[in-house]
This record gives sequence, structure tokens and C-alpha cells, in this order.
Amino acid sequence: KNQVEQSPQSLIILEGKNCTLQCNYTVSPFSNLRWYKQDTGRGPVSLTIMTFSENTKSNGRYTATLDADTKQSSLHITASQLSDSASYICVVSARTGNQFYFGTGTSLTVIP
Amino acid sequence: DAGITQSPRHKVTETGTPVTLRCHQTENHRYMYWYRQDPGHGLRLIHYSYGVKDTDKGEVSDGYSVSRSKTEDFLLTLESATSSQTSVYFCAISVGPEAYEQYFGPGTRLTVT
Repeated sequence: KNQVEQSPQSLIILEGKNCTLQCNYTVSPFSNLRWYKQDTGRGPVSLTIMTFSENTKSNGRYTATLDADTKQSSLHITASQLSDSASYICVVSARTGNQFYFGTGTSLTVIP
Repeated sequence: DAGITQSPRHKVTETGTPVTLRCHQTENHRYMYWYRQDPGHGLRLIHYSYGVKDTDKGEVSDGYSVSRSKTEDFLLTLESATSSQTSVYFCAISVGPEAYEQYFGPGTRLTVT
């Protein structure tokens, strides 16, 4: 069964600290993996997209990694800011058809 | 935001009434989707469309119907709303050579009393 699991479910960190969010998937055949940031009351916004051949991609203070062999991805946030408080969603696409598999998200709270 | 708008943004309705949500895009993308988002669940696909008058069911399609008579509009209808359909509804489009990059609308918060 194609699934995407994220951990932790929620996380609280101090402003300025780093954190890492995890995504494990069983989707096959794999096409690509995306991380989204969803602010409260808003739609998800794409942070990074990675295909099978990419193992690291950065977007400012956000760095995503992908290990296609172990089917794991992580999102590392450096020098967190209050505005990083949001839900972070991992989405994996399969190459068969137009299929997207969503994780349930990690809720990140950055406190002063 | 790929020019996606949703209307209404908020709606409260009573059980048993029909409700139609609208998704509008300005860039003529072929693929459009309707999702619902509930606490403890990821975004779940209700229906999607791969062209005008071409639609298909997602994993939670019961109680919902869709229509796409124009490329830019994708309508989601709850024929007879139930309290279990209280949710936040997101429309999305997918772009790119393999249509794998999705952009989401701002969402519609629907409450069924």
C-alpha cells in the first residue's frame, strides 16, 4: 500500500534553533517528493521538489534531503524564525497515473 | 499561487441542503483537483479532472459530485450536506511536463450544522 508517514507529529522549538522533520514513504514507482508549508488558514505552498536523482535541495533556510534507497526524506530548517510556525506536509508522487500521496504533516511551533 | 481562487471562502449551511463550491484558475491548466483536509488526516482527494468534462473519483468521493464545463472552472457539489462533510476544502492544479507540481487555492471552510 502506498503510504507517507511523517514524524514528529508536532514540534516546539526556540527561535534561532535548527530542526529536522522526517518523511518515510512506501510509494512505488516513485516519481518525486515535495515538501509544503501550510500556514494556519491558508493553502499549502511548495518549498522543494526532488526527483529520484536528487538527494539535496535548498530553498533559503530550508534544506530537503532524499534517500531513494531507504525511501526517506528530511526537511531541515536552519536558524528558525517565528514565521516558520506552520504545518509541513510531505507529498510523494507515483509515476503511474496522476497520483499524489500526502503525509499528515508536522506542526511546528517556534517560540521566542 | 498560480492564479487559483475559491469561492466562497467560508460557508455555514444546514444538514440536507445542497452546496456548491467553485474553483477558478486563470492559466488554463489541464489538471484540477478537489481535496478535503481534516484534523488527523492528510489532504484527501475527493475528485479530480483531466480536462473539460473529464473527471474521476478520488478516495473520498461518496456524497460529492463535480463538473467541469470550462477549463478554468471546477465545481464541487455536495448534493445533500451532512455534518461529516464539515471540513476545509482545497482546490489544486498541477503543472509541469509530467503535471507533478501542485499549487493549491486558499481553501473554503465549510460548516454543516
